[in-house]
Amino acid sequence: EDKVVQSPLSLVVHEGDTVTLNCSYEVTNFRSLLWYKQEKKAPTFLFMLTSSGIEKKSGRLSSILDKKELFSILNITATQTGDSAVYLCAVEPRGSEKLVFGKGTKLTVNP
Amino acid sequence: DVKVTQSSRYLVKRTGEKVFLECVQDMDHENMFWYRQDPGLGLRLIYFSYDVKMKEKGDIPEGYSVSREKKERFSLILESASTNQTSMYLCASIPRGLTYEQYFGPGTRLTVT
Repeated sequence: EDKVVQSPLSLVVHEGDTVTLNCSYEVTNFRSLLWYKQEKKAPTFLFMLTSSGIEKKSGRLSSILDKKELFSILNITATQTGDSAVYLCAVEPRGSEKLVFGKGTKLTVNP
Repeated sequence: DVKVTQSSRYLVKRTGEKVFLECVQDMDHENMFWYRQDPGLGLRLIYFSYDVKMKEKGDIPEGYSVSREKKERFSLILESASTNQTSMYLCASIPRGLTYEQYFGPGTRLTVT
């Protein structure tokens, strides 16, 4: 059974801290890994990763994939209160058009 | 911009009622999904449709059914609502073959009393 495990499940930091969110997966035939940010409503897409070792970056957020060790990390530097959200990791198996989601990491950034 | 809309943001229903949640997308996407999201459990797939009148069960289909009579509309039906179906329901859509970015609707928070 395909599985995605995120850690930690929740995290509380102060503004300015750097955080690393983890996502490990087991999937029969891997195609891609995706990160989403979810504030009060719908998840919004952050990154899609398909190849090992290539960092994707957007502002203070970056992510990288390790297909050998079957995990990805999402880094957020110089956190701001607006980064408070649930961060979701999902994996797409090849040949399936469905995503397998992790339970999410709830990040709270305090001023 | 892709737009996925859901019929209600908040809904309160009584146990035993039949509940319809509707999702409409305006980008001619083939694939549509219904998820429910609960604290500590993440997003769980209820049903998936890859074309009109086509559907596939997700991880937790029990107690739910779906209808896809038109390409743009995907309905989730709770035949007899129960309190354990109180949840946030999210609809998503994507063109076939491009699963890398599912477009989500705003969600419906359903409370069954």
